[in-house]
Amino acid sequence: DGGITQSPKYLFRKEGQNVTLSCEQNLNHDAMYWYRQDPGQGLRLIYYSQIVNDFQKGDIAEGYSVSREKKESFPLTVTSAQKNPTAFYLCASSIRRGPQETQYFGPGTRLLVL
Amino acid sequence: GQQVMQIPQYQHVQEGEDFTTYCNSSTTLSNIQWYKQRPGGHPVFLIQLVKSGEVKKQKRLTFQFGEAKKNSSLHITATQTTDVGTYFCAGEATSGSRLTFGEGTQLTVNP
Repeated sequence: DGGITQSPKYLFRKEGQNVTLSCEQNLNHDAMYWYRQDPGQGLRLIYYSQIVNDFQKGDIAEGYSVSREKKESFPLTVTSAQKNPTAFYLCASSIRRGPQETQYFGPGTRLLVL
Repeated sequence: GQQVMQIPQYQHVQEGEDFTTYCNSSTTLSNIQWYKQRPGGHPVFLIQLVKSGEVKKQKRLTFQFGEAKKNSSLHITATQTTDVGTYFCAGEATSGSRLTFGEGTQLTVNP
């Protein structure tokens, strides 16, 4: 919600090509996340970063790569090694205040492999 | 690792009927959060529960956190067509750990 942008909204890719999805936030949040959502399914964590220049694999990191060179940016690259990349990709950022951490999601990018 | 399960996966109701979705964790949680995703949209934070046995209300929505802090529920009274969407719970095993999402309950409301 508000302050997180993802581009493009729709992305078409030919098999065998790498593609990079953009995620930018101006909320000054330390942590950022990438999720994958398949039709009728929940959210599966791909990668997350809790601080600049550091990131960790999530549950389904194979075939994906990320970087976190700036606090506001967390791009995701879908590589040709990802066997089934067609999905809805959601980026989120979060801030922690005491026991509360709320994740704010971007509008998402729908990736379609042709 | 931590698992968060939600039931039912799908629920179809007539407008005006009540709706409940249940969330169960394999481990004790420090807190649980609920999100709503409208069709074609992205998840939006609804609420967080922290205390054992906590109950919170938002208009027609009632959220509960179990005494053992391993389960939670979301109840909607007298559903409206604007309630359509997928409701996700998300739990944190310990404060500062990763948030784990349930698979969501997809609610459809027939007018």
